[in-house]
Amino acid sequence: GAGVSQSPSNKVTEKGKDVELRCDPISGHTALYWYRQSLGQGLEFLIYFQGNSAPDKSGLPSDRFSAERTGGSVSTLTIQRTQQEDSAVYLCASSSQEAFFGQGTRLTVV
Amino acid sequence: GQQLNQSPQSMFIQEGEDVSMNCTSSSIFNTWLWYKQDPGEGPVLLIALYKAGELTSNGRLTAQFGITRKDSFLNISASIPSDVGIYFCAGQDAGTYKYIFGTGTRLKVLA
Repeated sequence: GAGVSQSPSNKVTEKGKDVELRCDPISGHTALYWYRQSLGQGLEFLIYFQGNSAPDKSGLPSDRFSAERTGGSVSTLTIQRTQQEDSAVYLCASSSQEAFFGQGTRLTVV
Repeated sequence: GQQLNQSPQSMFIQEGEDVSMNCTSSSIFNTWLWYKQDPGEGPVLLIALYKAGELTSNGRLTAQFGITRKDSFLNISASIPSDVGIYFCAGQDAGTYKYIFGTGTRLKVLA
């Protein structure tokens, strides 16, 4: 596609359930980022993938969070046993020379 | 996580005023990017800068890549209400090629 695509755009889940968020980067972009943004706040770095290198997972807030990137393209962010404090917008970006963001997934844990 | 120092954190200005915000880093960057985020949307790329000293405009927006390669600023001239939003900078680390994003400047324009 022409831009970074994220799905779903909105997700409401019950506390304790697992969720998967998907990111389709721009074709050919080797770098992919996941960020979390609480309402009106800045970007909280979660994880960074670059080509075939080991991902930079230094921003993942707990072991309930994990992400993978299959075939150097699509990425999935998984949150296990969701908690209310996980409610936020999850943004994905991909980059080559410039970085572009998706529209985000708004996650609400009830 | 890694972040750039972006200032100011927030600002209220009158319509018609000029706005300036900047980002500084301890690392040298290859590229600086500036984004605007509207409520409920993802950040949208406004301006890209590729070399030290470069000055680039996009309408009422002007951005510069600092000569030390460790800073950048964004100016908005004659602000209008639709300039409201969060502005982010991002720099591409010269060593790792990883993009680091700023903490954001929240701009509110008073009509």
